Formats: sequence, structure tokens, C-alpha cells
Amino acid sequence: DVQMTQSPSSLSASVGDRVTVTCQASQDIFDSLNWYQQKPGKAPKVLIYGASSLATGVPSRFSGRGSGTDFTFTISGLQPEDFATYYCQQYDSFPLTFGGGTKVDIK
Amino acid sequence: QVQLVESGGGVVQPGKSLSLSCAASGFTFSRFAMHWVRQAPGKGLEWVAVVSDDESYKDYGDSLKGRFTISRDNSKNTVSLQMTSLRTEDTAVYYCAKDFARTGGYFFDYWGQGILVTVSS
Repeated sequence: DVQMTQSPSSLSASVGDRVTVTCQASQDIFDSLNWYQQKPGKAPKVLIYGASSLATGVPSRFSGRGSGTDFTFTISGLQPEDFATYYCQQYDSFPLTFGGGTKVDIK
Repeated sequence: QVQLVESGGGVVQPGKSLSLSCAASGFTFSRFAMHWVRQAPGKGLEWVAVVSDDESYKDYGDSLKGRFTISRDNSKNTVSLQMTSLRTEDTAVYYCAKDFARTGGYFFDYWGQGILVTVSS
């Protein structure tokens, strides 16, 4: 199984900050990586698919990059509505696996 | 608009069985793979199972094989998860999720609201 190691597990940031989350796969997954946002009590929402493609309707301040085993997710200019937990997920092979999550809260 | 509505959750004793259902609407159900994803209280996301558009392919999370069975009925636009030999560690919110692709294993573009399954004596 592909193990996804996400870091940090949590971070505190202010509105307007640039935030970066990393995800490392235990083996080469090419660009088969998605990023989701989850707010408390809600279902996750896809933000980035295929490592760097922005999902429909997602603001351009969200971005992703990487390939192989190392990936990054960035929020350029954190907004109040962005305080949430973010997950990476690989789809190179079954079983699909998620990173442990990164909780972004207010500094 | 796309809607996924889960049902069938609740409290069940360890060792017992429970079946979840997800009713889909707002898209051509028979053209997309469907998944179940779960989240234990206060924990992260765990993929549970996938069924392809025509039910020709199914797969499960490692810890679930042999206990959970996913199925779908394209005539009724529903996907189900039959869970047997339930354990306390199966306690979670279970989400039904639509795949962007036909065969599954791309990204989840729509999710249900989730339904809580509590395994407790």
C-alpha cells in the first residue's frame, strides 16, 4: 500500500499569510495526487486533482505542485474561510490512501 | 444538482451487521464509479471501498476485506455497503462519494453529508 505522510499536522497562521503543506508518498505515484479541504461537521471538498489542476470553482489562491513522491499544497493569501483541515490523497493504486491531515487554525 | 444521501446508520453491537445505502440524483449514476469513505471521531479520512460504473470492479481497504461488501443498483441510483462482524473500531461517519471517472480511482467530486455508525455494546 502507498503510505502518505503529510506535514505539518497542524499550523497556526494569520489572514493574508502564505501557507504550505507537504505530502510525501512511500513510492512513486507520478502525479496521482489530490488535495481536499474539510471544515468541521462537513464533508471534504476537492481543491486540487492530478497534483496541480484546480477543481471547478476553487479560488486561484489554492495551488499544488509536485510529482513522484513529493508534493506541496499552497494557499497564497489565507482567507478567513480557509481555516480548515486539508488532506492529500493518492490514486495511483488501490487501496486509495489519505495523508493524516493538516489543521490550519487562526494565529 | 448532484445529491448523495446516505441512510441506514445507527448504533449496533459488536459482531453484528449493518447495511448503509446512498441515494444519488442529479447526474447519470450509471456512468460513474462510487466510493465509501469513513472518518472515525476526531480522526482522518479512510477510504473504504469502490465499485465501478458497471459493477465489474470492486475493491476494499485492507482492514475491511471479507467483512464489508459494496454493491450498486443502477436502476435505482443507489450504492450500498453491507458491513458484517462489526468492531468498535468501525465506529465512524461514513460518506458516500462520487468518483470523477467511470472506473474509479481518480478524485471524489461530490460527497454525501455522511452518516454515523456507532459500534458499541
